[in-house]
Amino acid sequence: QSVLTQPPSMSAAPGQKVTISCSGSDSNIGSNYVSWYQQLPGTAPKLLIYDNNKRPSGIPDRFSGSKSGTSATLAITGLQTGDEADYYCGTWEISLSTVALFGGGTKLTVL
Amino acid sequence: QVQLQESGPGLVKPSQTLSLTCTVSGGSISSGGYYWSWIRTHPGKGLEWIGYIYYTGRTYYNPSLKSRLAISIDTSQNHFSLDLTSVTAADTAVYYCARATWYLAPFDYWGQGSLVTVSS
Repeated sequence: QSVLTQPPSMSAAPGQKVTISCSGSDSNIGSNYVSWYQQLPGTAPKLLIYDNNKRPSGIPDRFSGSKSGTSATLAITGLQTGDEADYYCGTWEISLSTVALFGGGTKLTVL
Repeated sequence: QVQLQESGPGLVKPSQTLSLTCTVSGGSISSGGYYWSWIRTHPGKGLEWIGYIYYTGRTYYNPSLKSRLAISIDTSQNHFSLDLTSVTAADTAVYYCARATWYLAPFDYWGQGSLVTVSS
């Protein structure tokens, strides 16, 4: 059971928009930046969004991120079949120790 | 372009120690203030952060693994390592090494991953 909650799966048609949610608490998302990772089948995760809404070089602007309070959202517009992957949110929690947290992942199917 | 590559045994017996090394190329492991990380994913499950190490040797561990975990760094060899003791089948996973650009940063570069199976 992950500390950060994501829907296990979502599906949408090519060309459509999908939003993936990530819910946490004051001590993690509420206090730290959120990042998003895309994991294509058989490959390592890839950083998609960092600092809530910034894109690394080379990531298309079809991908965007936002954060409000203790929740974050990844939006993907103009869905392509190549976007079919697992998506993970991530953040940090600093209490008695420093811990990186990930959501359980959302499997996106592009129909 | 920084590249990370995991290496180590793909099969470990229960109760033994799982040891992996991550070799960094394309940059010095001791420059830039980076934090060098281990992350794993169990078959069909999500990502789990194991811990990370700064080039000075300062470590941060996931409390759930801390009692069995040691992460070390060898700046002369430009690599860092993971030792996880007393493994069980629950430690069967794909292990990734990754880089965080500062203390609480996201992970911007990842290795390709190394599947480790715990079985007798």
